[in-house]
Amino acid sequence: DQQVKQNSPSLSVQEGRISILNCDYTNSMFDYFLWYKKYPAEGPTFLISISSIKDKNEDGRFTVFLNKSAKHLSLHIVPSQPGDSAVYFCAASAQGAQKLVFGQGTRLTINP
Amino acid sequence: KAGVTQTPRYLIKTRGQQVTLSCSPISGHRSVSWYQQTPGQGLQFLFEYFSETQRNKGNFPGRFSGRQFSNSRSEMNVSTLELGDSALYLCASSLPTGGSGNTIYFGEGSWLTVV
Repeated sequence: DQQVKQNSPSLSVQEGRISILNCDYTNSMFDYFLWYKKYPAEGPTFLISISSIKDKNEDGRFTVFLNKSAKHLSLHIVPSQPGDSAVYFCAASAQGAQKLVFGQGTRLTINP
Repeated sequence: KAGVTQTPRYLIKTRGQQVTLSCSPISGHRSVSWYQQTPGQGLQFLFEYFSETQRNKGNFPGRFSGRQFSNSRSEMNVSTLELGDSALYLCASSLPTGGSGNTIYFGEGSWLTVV
């Protein structure tokens, strides 16, 4: 039972354009969502998070949108840069538990 | 401020052996959790410790164990290693504040290969 799903294994975007990564969840108890960026054989790097009491959070080039009714969140990167090429993971936690449930990841490639 | 530190970074073990991995959390962080990443299963939660007590446990066999020390450092142990235990093991730490919204920060990981 995969509670957090990233249905796109890969995404290719031209440099300077917008990258949109999507994530769906099934567990309505999730109330905190995070996005991480990861390179092979390294630990995930925290990018941005959002609480279920909000529907949008921005940090520089990164914006996360949360649609609770659809149980869907998305990460927007504008403008996309070559250094953004990595695997992006969506993760969720419930009620303060220090336990993350991860999606399978989306490999983002930014083309010059 | 130093990040989450894991040792060793890379190690090779033989099937049947045991392994111990170490983690030093970010200074001031009291919750330490462990994750396993494999190509087939993705990132999976192993367990979480807070104030030297295991608070949450993932769906892994009893061969996987851990502990946390009074200074919040943590170790995880895998006994009777199997080939399928080859993975990147990630340690993560967080404050936590007691409610929702605790950002969890990860270390660089320990890459275990079982031969």
